[in-house]
Amino acid sequence: AQKVTQAQTEISVVEKEDVTLDCVYETRDTTYYLFWYKQPPSGELVFLIRRNSFDEQNEISGRYSWNFQKSTSSFNFTITASQVVDSAVYFCALSEGPYSGGSNYKLTFGKGTLLTVNP
Amino acid sequence: DARVTQTPRHKVTEMGQEVTMRCQPILGHNTVFWYRQTMMQGLELLAYFRNRAPLDDSGMPKDRFSAEMPDATLATLKIQPSEPRDSAVYFCASGHGSIWWTGELFFGEGSRLTVL
Repeated sequence: AQKVTQAQTEISVVEKEDVTLDCVYETRDTTYYLFWYKQPPSGELVFLIRRNSFDEQNEISGRYSWNFQKSTSSFNFTITASQVVDSAVYFCALSEGPYSGGSNYKLTFGKGTLLTVNP
Repeated sequence: DARVTQTPRHKVTEMGQEVTMRCQPILGHNTVFWYRQTMMQGLELLAYFRNRAPLDDSGMPKDRFSAEMPDATLATLKIQPSEPRDSAVYFCASGHGSIWWTGELFFGEGSRLTVL
C-alpha cells in the first residue's frame, strides 16, 4: 500500500523567510511519481510539480525548489523568500509508475501542510 | 481559460435526502476523478474514470454512493440516502490519461456538502 506523510500540520512564517515543507512516502513500486499540489483559500487544488522515481535531480522554479532523496523516501519542497500569496495548504502526493497496469493515475495524497505567511 | 466546473458549489440537505453533484471536465480530458476532502481524512479518492469507463471505485461506499459518466462532458456523483458523515467537500478533477501523463490534474472548485 502507498502512503504519504506530511508531518507538519501547520507552519507559520514571516514574509521573506525561507520555509521547507516535508514529505515522506512509502511504496513498494520500483517506479512511481511524486507530486506537489497547492490549495489556496479559493479551494481548488493547483498542480505544482511531478518527479519520476528514476530522476533524483533537484528542481528549481523561481522561488520554489524540490529536493527528492530516494534513500530517505523524501520529497521536500522549499519556498525561498516567502510571500503572503504563498499562504495555502500544500499537498504531497504519490502515484504508481506508468508500467503498473493502468493505475498510475491514482494519486495518494498526504494530509497537507497549512502554510501561513504573515506580512 | 479551460476549467473544471462543478455544481452545486454549496449544498445543505437533511439526512436521508438524495444528493447529486455534477462535474464538467475540461474538453478533451479523458480521465475524471472524484475526491472527497474532510479535516479528519484529508483527500480521499472515491472513483475515477477513463474514457467514461469506471476504473476504480473502491474508495466509495457502494451502498449509498454511485458515480457515472453519462457522456464525455458530464460526470455525476450521487449519494442516496445522505448521512451527516457525508458532509465534506467533493472535488472533481480531470486530466489527459496516457502512459506519458504528466500528473497534472485540473481540479474544480469543489462542492461543499452539509448533511444535517
